[in-house]
Amino acid sequence: QKEVEQDPGPLSVPEGAIVSLNCTYSNSAFQYFMWYRQYSRKGPELLMYTYSSGNKEDGRFTAQVDKSSKYISLFIRDSQPSDSATYLCAMSSNTNAGKSTFGDGTTLTVKP
Amino acid sequence: KAGVTQTPRYLIKTRGQQVTLSCSPISGHRSVSWYQQTPGQGLQFLFEYFSETQRNKGNFPGRFSGRQFSNSRSEMNVSTLELGDSALYLCASSWTSNTEAFFGQGTRLTVV
Repeated sequence: QKEVEQDPGPLSVPEGAIVSLNCTYSNSAFQYFMWYRQYSRKGPELLMYTYSSGNKEDGRFTAQVDKSSKYISLFIRDSQPSDSATYLCAMSSNTNAGKSTFGDGTTLTVKP
Repeated sequence: KAGVTQTPRYLIKTRGQQVTLSCSPISGHRSVSWYQQTPGQGLQFLFEYFSETQRNKGNFPGRFSGRQFSNSRSEMNVSTLELGDSALYLCASSWTSNTEAFFGQGTRLTVV
């Protein structure tokens, strides 16, 4: 079983919809949680970075972490066609220097 | 502020050859991590360097090696290339472990 499982998608929504992207994990040592967006043939772009449990909001993006359930989410409000990309969740711990463990990604298409 | 720069962007090599990829981190960042991204395996951690020292290594054969210079620039080397080494190689830089990590655009390596 993988340490990080991500809802595989693909996901297709109309413009303006609220999008929910989710990951679960099994390693209780994970304390740092990230969401990246990756466009085709580009490197991943950091969207959100959170430490431990709780919510973090940045513009149209909200990241939620529930460590008790080992579950993280990314919500995108008022989705735009430019949000069409692959979204990757990633996690790391203090005991594994410099290593992030990634989900396999969810491909999102926002239709105008 | 300049981002993470990876060179070259594209490479085509023949089986059995070796290759060296370069990564220049964001100014001030001392941690550089390398990842391999393939459609079947997703993003897999190769190794991490901090202040010229390899602190962590993923589960890759010894043909994959790296180093970091005093200016934090990093190189990775793959010897005796195999067809399965074809992938997007990404580096990420951060101020230190478990702080926000930013990726370069990657080097796409094709082994023929």
